Amino acid sequence: AQSVSQHNHHVILSEAASLELGCNYSYGGTVNLFWYVQYPGQHLQLLLKYFSGDPLVKGIKGFEAEFIKSKFSFNLRKPSVQWSDTAEYFCAVNGDGGFKTIFGAGTRLFVKA
Amino acid sequence: SQTIHQWPATLVQPVGSPLSLECTVEGTSNPNLYWYRQAAGRGLQLLFYSVGIGQISSEVPQNLSASRPQDRQFILSSKKLLLSDSGFYLCAWRRGTKNIQYFGAGTRLSVL
Repeated sequence: AQSVSQHNHHVILSEAASLELGCNYSYGGTVNLFWYVQYPGQHLQLLLKYFSGDPLVKGIKGFEAEFIKSKFSFNLRKPSVQWSDTAEYFCAVNGDGGFKTIFGAGTRLFVKA
Repeated sequence: SQTIHQWPATLVQPVGSPLSLECTVEGTSNPNLYWYRQAAGRGLQLLFYSVGIGQISSEVPQNLSASRPQDRQFILSSKKLLLSDSGFYLCAWRRGTKNIQYFGAGTRLSVL
């Protein structure tokens, strides 16, 4: 069965600090990996995705994530966060292109201005 | 372009009352449809998904049920709500073989 583990439930950073949110998944086959973001008062939306190819993927607003197959990880990074990055971030995995996408517990990021 | 509508946005219901949450998608056909519940610290829990009219897969045994009476309509129901049914319910759709999901605005359900 697929599962996703996000390491931090709450993260507080100051503006300009670097961000790394950990995500590990459990699945033995081919995976599609995602980070979704939910800004306060807004819909949950896609931040970035990995389907195949270059394991370093770039998303909107300067975010990137690296797929490390040997570690079953897909960590999210941003070199310098802004106050507007305050949101909840969800890692998700879809195995073998199936119907189900499994989400992690989410990480609430608060960026202090 | 495609849009997804969920209503109501908020709902307060007494224990034991019935529930019906509706989700509709516009601008696409034969989408895969999903119901999730979002609880603090537990992320998004997949409740039901549907690959076509009348086809429902349940992921978690519970007090809820789902139906898909039309291609772009997905309904979450309960005959008798429990306190534990309180939460934030999200509907999502997925297009074809692309695995990206698009979410609605959600319904905050409070069972008192």
